[in-house]
Amino acid sequence: DADVTQTPRNRITKTGKRIMLECSQTKGHDRMYWYRQDPGLGLRLIYYSFDVKDINKGEISDGYSVSRQAQAKFSLSLESAIPNQTALYFCATSVYRGNTGELFFGEGSRLTVL
Amino acid sequence: AQSVTQPDIHITVSEGASLELRCNYSYGATPYLFWYVQSPGQGLQLLLKYFSGDTLVQGIKGFEAEFKRSQSSFNLRKPSVHWSDAAEYFCAVGALYGGSQGNLIFGKGTKLSVKP
Repeated sequence: DADVTQTPRNRITKTGKRIMLECSQTKGHDRMYWYRQDPGLGLRLIYYSFDVKDINKGEISDGYSVSRQAQAKFSLSLESAIPNQTALYFCATSVYRGNTGELFFGEGSRLTVL
Repeated sequence: AQSVTQPDIHITVSEGASLELRCNYSYGATPYLFWYVQSPGQGLQLLLKYFSGDTLVQGIKGFEAEFKRSQSSFNLRKPSVHWSDAAEYFCAVGALYGGSQGNLIFGKGTKLSVKP
C-alpha cells in the first residue's frame, strides 16, 4: 500500500460544484502539502501544514481551502470549482528532522472542471 | 526572487547515449537541492538530493548530479540512458534551515524522450 494515499484519483465535475480531495499518510510525518501541477508550469504550492494546528497559504491559495483533520489527514477543498482549476493535484509529506526536507508524494488526483 | 529554471522543456536522446539535464536556481538562503522524476501517470519520485558535503551526489537508477555554487547550478547526469528513463524530470530547491524547510520551489520540468 502507498504511504501517501490520495482520493479520488480522478474526478470530473461541473463549474460551481464543491469538491474535496483527500490525502492520508502512514509515514508518521508532521508536515503535509498540497501542490498543483499544470503542463509547462511545474508544481506550485497551494497550502501547507506543519502540524494539526498550523495551516499556511502557499503560492496559489485563492479559490482553495484546506483542513488538517489529524496528523495523518489533509484535505483540499474547492468551494466552487471553475474550469481553470482543472489540473493534477498532489499531496506530499515531509518530516522536520535535522537536515531533511525531502517531500514524499502521493500518486496524484486528476481533476477536470467542465 | 527565489526560482528554479530548467532551460530545456523537452530533450530527446538515443538509448545508450549520455544525458545532462540543466537546472539553475536563485535562492537567498543556503539551498537544499533535489531532482525528482515523474513517470507517466505517476507521482514524483526522488532521484537524489544535495544539502552539504561532496558536490557530486549519487542517486537512484544510475543518476548523479553536481552542485556548482559559483554557477548556481545543479545539473543531472546519466552516462547511458535506458528506454525506461523516459519521463519528466523536476529540479527543486528548498531551505536547508528554518521554518520554511520542506516548502520546495520546483522548476517547470524537462520531458525526456528516448529513441530506440
